[in-house]
Amino acid sequence: GAVVSQHPSRVICKSGTSVKIECRSLDFQATTMFWYRQFPKQSLMLMATSNEGSKATYEQGVEKDKFLINHASLTLSTLTVTSAHPEDSSFYICSASQGAPGEAFFGQGTRLTVV
Amino acid sequence: KNQVEQSPQSLIILEGKNCTLQCNYTVSPFSNLRWYKQDTGRGPVSLTIMTFSENTKSNGRYTATLDADTKQSSLHITASQLSDSASYICVVSATGNQFYFGTGTSLTVIP
Repeated sequence: GAVVSQHPSRVICKSGTSVKIECRSLDFQATTMFWYRQFPKQSLMLMATSNEGSKATYEQGVEKDKFLINHASLTLSTLTVTSAHPEDSSFYICSASQGAPGEAFFGQGTRLTVV
Repeated sequence: KNQVEQSPQSLIILEGKNCTLQCNYTVSPFSNLRWYKQDTGRGPVSLTIMTFSENTKSNGRYTATLDADTKQSSLHITASQLSDSASYICVVSATGNQFYFGTGTSLTVIP
């Protein structure tokens, strides 16, 4: 099956710094990538949808200047958490789609801890 | 409003026993429904995917059912194992690549 690789799996950063998370589709071209955030014991919450070569579409309440998303190629999307604060500590997950309806392959997730 | 509700919220069963998880949805227009297993600290892994015309689909010890008329789905786990302990998430997609997530059922299998 299709494989989505997310890196890093865990990251600890100091408050005020920026962190970049990568999401790669290893064996297929992802026309669309999704970024989610998941707080403990809660469901996945969609943050933004990105299509290759165009600007990401952010969900209501998600600050686009704080969570920078780049989808520069069909196999790579990045999420940069800028000026991270402790409340940004969460589990971030990406998923990728080739375009087939309802298709989503998930990455392994990134545990971000801001201290 | 497009919603996905799962029940129970949590479940504890003995190893070897069967269990059934429920998913009710109001998503429209419906494209498909997936069940995912999410281990703690990991991304979700797809178990089954069902389209409008499919009533049941199996993947090993996992069997999913779908009633598109009543907009209900279930995931039945047979002969549970300790490794089945995880969160099970029902995801319904609408046309246009819109995904709606249930809040998940936390399953704990005890020896």
